[in-house]
Amino acid sequence: EPEVTQTPSHQVTQMGQEVILRCVPISNHLYFYWYRQILGQKVEFLVSFYNNEISEKSEIFDDQFSVERPDGSNFTLKIRSTKLEDSAMYFCASRRSADRAFFGQGTRLTVV
Amino acid sequence: AQKITQTQPGMFVQEKEAVTLDCTYDTSDPSYGLFWYKQPSSGEMIFLIYQGSYDQQNATEGRYSLNFQKARKSANLVISASQLGDSAMYFCAMREAQGGSEKLVFGKGTKLTVNP
Repeated sequence: EPEVTQTPSHQVTQMGQEVILRCVPISNHLYFYWYRQILGQKVEFLVSFYNNEISEKSEIFDDQFSVERPDGSNFTLKIRSTKLEDSAMYFCASRRSADRAFFGQGTRLTVV
Repeated sequence: AQKITQTQPGMFVQEKEAVTLDCTYDTSDPSYGLFWYKQPSSGEMIFLIYQGSYDQQNATEGRYSLNFQKARKSANLVISASQLGDSAMYFCAMREAQGGSEKLVFGKGTKLTVNP
């Protein structure tokens, strides 16, 4: 089965630093997503991306967040000036059309 | 308001028995999709089963079946013949088209423990 790949699997960063979480969606997929799961809580939508632009973002996705698809294969989430409360598992997902979304294995971000 | 409600924070089941995990949803969109994902302790989200709002029959995938009751807005997951490896968090999610991106909205999850 095709896979969404996320790197790194675990990232530790100091508060105030910038982090970039990387995702390689499935190659023929058109819709891309980032979700976040704070430890022990439910998975929350952050942002969706289609046709090289953000199609929807949640209220969590404030100015410290940005997404990019720089080269047609990678899909990145950048968090500027990380805060302790940004510690979470971040999931990338992609889908082709009306099909289900395929999730990556997640990146566990720890802000210290 | 909660769009996906999972009322069981934790469930226990004996190995080889069947278990039902509850999920109710709320939407005014006539076209929607319902999903169940399994999240083991390692953290990844594993797709289990999907039910479209217009599907006439309940979805089945191996030992997983979805008891879809549209009028009651419920989409319960039934796991038959439970195995020790089924111990995990289970999330119900709905794909909603509001906002245009067809994002998934998740419930809070149910922690299933399978006892030997």
